Amino acid sequence: NAGVTQTPKFRILKIGQSMTLQCTQDMNHNYMYWYRQDPGMGLKLIYYSVGAGITDKGEVPNGYNVSRSTTEDFPLRLELAAPSQTSVYFCASSSSRDQNNSPLHFGNGTRLTVT
Amino acid sequence: GQNIDQPTEMTATEGAIVQINCTYQTSGFNGLFWYQQHAGEAPTFLSYNVLDGLEEKGRFSSFLSRSKGYSYLLLKELQMKDSASYLCAVVDSNYQLIWGAGTKLIIKP
Repeated sequence: NAGVTQTPKFRILKIGQSMTLQCTQDMNHNYMYWYRQDPGMGLKLIYYSVGAGITDKGEVPNGYNVSRSTTEDFPLRLELAAPSQTSVYFCASSSSRDQNNSPLHFGNGTRLTVT
Repeated sequence: GQNIDQPTEMTATEGAIVQINCTYQTSGFNGLFWYQQHAGEAPTFLSYNVLDGLEEKGRFSSFLSRSKGYSYLLLKELQMKDSASYLCAVVDSNYQLIWGAGTKLIIKP
C-alpha cells in the first residue's frame, strides 16, 4: 500500500499565483485532513472531509479551498498566494473520527515558499 | 482557549532514559496521541491514551492523568535514531485534534 501520497514535494510560488496541492490515499479512509506546520507551532487544521462530497473548515481556512469528489482524493487549492502561506503542508487520513485506535496517516508533506 | 504545552527542546544521552511531558487545557477530552516526527518527514503514530495509566510499547511508554491534564512519553534505552520531534495531540469534545508545538529531542553519544 502506498498510504497517503502528496505532490509536489517542493514548490516556490510568486505572490498572487495559484496552485493545487494533490493528495490521494489508497486505504479507503473516509476522513481526510489538510494541515499546515510552521516552525515553533503545532499543526493547524486547514480543512477536513468526513467523506466524498463533504468538506468543512478547520482552524485556518482563509486563502484555501478544497474539494472531495472521490474517497481517494482531497486536493487543496491556494488562490492568490501570499507570503503568510509559506509553510509545510501535510495531508492526512484516518478511518474513524472517533480516533480511538484510529491514528492519522500522513503524507510526506509539501514544502511551499511564497515570495 | 485550548492549549497544549510541551518543552521546546530536550537533550539526552544514548542508552539513557528521557521523559517528555505534555500538559493540556482543552474543551473536553477524548484521548491523547503521541507522534514522532523526524526532521523533514511526516509525523508517525507512537501511542494513544484515553484512560488513566501507563501504556507500554517496547522502549516507549505513555502515561495519562486526566484529572491533572497531564501526559508523558517515556523513552528507554535511547538510540541515535530517536533524535526527532515528539508531538502531543489531544482530541477535544468535537473530536478535533489540538496539537502541541512539539519537543525536539537531541540524543548525544
